[in-house]
Formats: sequence, C-alpha cells, structure tokens
Amino acid sequence: GEDVEQSLFLSVREGDSSVINCTYTDSSSTYLYWYKQEPGAGLQLLTYIFSNMDMKQDQRLTVLLNKKDKHLSLRIADTQTGDSAIYFCAENGGYQKVTFGIGTKLQVIP
Amino acid sequence: DAGVTQSPTHLIKTRGQQVTLRCSPKSGHDTVSWYQQALGQGPQFIFQYYEEEERQRGNFPDRFSGHQFPNYSSELNVNALLLGDSALYLCASRSVGISGSSYNEQFFGPGTRLTVL
Repeated sequence: GEDVEQSLFLSVREGDSSVINCTYTDSSSTYLYWYKQEPGAGLQLLTYIFSNMDMKQDQRLTVLLNKKDKHLSLRIADTQTGDSAIYFCAENGGYQKVTFGIGTKLQVIP
Repeated sequence: DAGVTQSPTHLIKTRGQQVTLRCSPKSGHDTVSWYQQALGQGPQFIFQYYEEEERQRGNFPDRFSGHQFPNYSSELNVNALLLGDSALYLCASRSVGISGSSYNEQFFGPGTRLTVL
C-alpha cells in the first residue's frame, strides 16, 4: 500500500534555508504535495509537483522530486518565523485519495 | 467565498455514543473527502463522496459512514464511539471538472475536534 515517511522535527535560524525531506512508496503517484498546518488550523496546500517533473519553484519554495528514489524535498529560502508550522508531504494514490506523512515540525529560531 | 466550512468546531462525546459532523464544500466543488487526524499524526483518508455516492474508502470500520446531499454538502457519522476516535476530523472538497481526471486542488476546512471520554 501507499506509505509516506518524513522526519519529525527540523530547527533552523531565521534567514537560513530549510529543507524538509520525504520518501514515498507508491510509484503510481501522479501528484505529490506539500501542505502546511499551523496550530489549530486546517491544512493549507503550499505547492505540488506532477510526477513527470524534477523541480518546481514558487517564490521562496523549491520542490525537488527524485522519482527513481521516490524522494521529495521542500526547500524554503530565507525562512521566517511565520514559517513555523507542521509540514506534511502527501501523495495521491488514485481517484484523489491523498496519503499523508506524519508531518515535520519546523521551528524557526529568531 | 467562505471556503470549506465544518460544524461544529469542537465536540465532546462519551464512549458508545454516536456523532454527526457536517461539511459544506467550497462553492463550485462537487466532491467531498473526509480525513481523520489523530494527535501527532498525519491525516488518514476515511472516504470520498461524489454524486451522492461513496466512491473510495480508506481503512476504517463500518462504524464510520457518510452521506452527501444534492447540494454537495456532506455528513460524517460515527457510531459506537471509542476513545481512539478522538481526533481532528477534516473535510476537503474539490471539483472533478469536466474531464473527470484533471488536477484540481483539494481545499481543506478547519476541522472538527472530537473528544471521546
């Protein structure tokens, strides 16, 4: 079945770059996503990448996809305190069912 | 546009009771999915409704059931509540689109926090 794994915690200093990594198992995934969840809030889609792409850049966000290794990463440039949140890697496993990882808690130190 | 709305915001029930959670999709959306997010975990897919039918289901027991109404809103029902059902329940909506297969972003609601005592 589908499985998504990611590290639990990342701490960075304000202004540095953050890199959150994720591995997934479903080779048939069409889209891979990064969601952000702030305390007490729902999920916000940050960005997504289609499975035939290697990289996608959107302002401060860069997504890298290594389909051979089933590895996805999210780089946040110039990380700000407002970026502190839990970041979920997710894949779609057919008919828009989305499988999420456990989430990486990003702590930004001023 | 109010986006995806869910009610109630918080709910406290006791073991064995039944609960109904409600979701109104974003305007223009016709597909609703429900997810369970336990504390410290990622959301787990429960099921998806489209055209008033359950289209796909995750690994959840029959105690979890749902319904979609003609206006595309949806309910999640959980019977015989267990302590382990305590979680944040998220609703997400999207539009299938004309092709039925094109990418359409899923928008999530703020969730209903269910506590079972």
